[in-house]
Amino acid sequence: AQSVAQPEDQVNVAEGNPLTVKCTYSVSGNPYLFWYVQYPNRGLQFLLKYITGDNLVKGSYGFEAEFNKSQTSFHLKKPSALVSDSALYFCAVRDLDNAGNMLTFGGGTRLMVKP
Amino acid sequence: KAGVTQTPRYLIKTRGQQVTLSCSPISGHRSVSWYQQTPGQGLQFLFEYFSETQRNKGNFPGRFSGRQFSNSRSEMNVSTLELGDSALYLCASSLELAGGHEQYFGPGTRLTVT
Repeated sequence: AQSVAQPEDQVNVAEGNPLTVKCTYSVSGNPYLFWYVQYPNRGLQFLLKYITGDNLVKGSYGFEAEFNKSQTSFHLKKPSALVSDSALYFCAVRDLDNAGNMLTFGGGTRLMVKP
Repeated sequence: KAGVTQTPRYLIKTRGQQVTLSCSPISGHRSVSWYQQTPGQGLQFLFEYFSETQRNKGNFPGRFSGRQFSNSRSEMNVSTLELGDSALYLCASSLELAGGHEQYFGPGTRLTVT
């Protein structure tokens, strides 16, 4: 069975400072990893994904994530946070060895960026 | 290109009733998945359809069902509603069934069961 852990329910950061939202995963095979963001009363918006290749993945809105196979982590990062980045962030995993697009999500991390 | 659309956006039902939710995927996308989002359980996978066939199913009771039409549009049905079915139901579409394709989510249908 696959699982995702987001150890922090909330991350607080000042505008202009770098941010990190943590994610660790567990799958039996090789993982596909994703980050999504959810704004109030909205669905999930795709930010970025890791499939294979370079461990540093760049995505939308200046976000990037680093895949670390030995630590089974896929932390989301941004060099300079904006107040508008405040939202709920979800990490998700798909087991490459299983057919289909089913995603297993972490519990979510609320990012609060203060002016 | 238009995004994933879901109708209705909000729904209020009474215990014991049934409900049907609709999802139109992004044009050209053939895979449609459904998820339930609640404050307590988070995001949970319900099922996935591709070429009008259910390909994956999550751990939900048989009261939850779905189908996909030849134009890739999908519906999900919940029968004999319970209070615990109150949730945001999200539909997501993807280009193909396998591979590293990301899913694109609709805005969701907020179901309230009273």
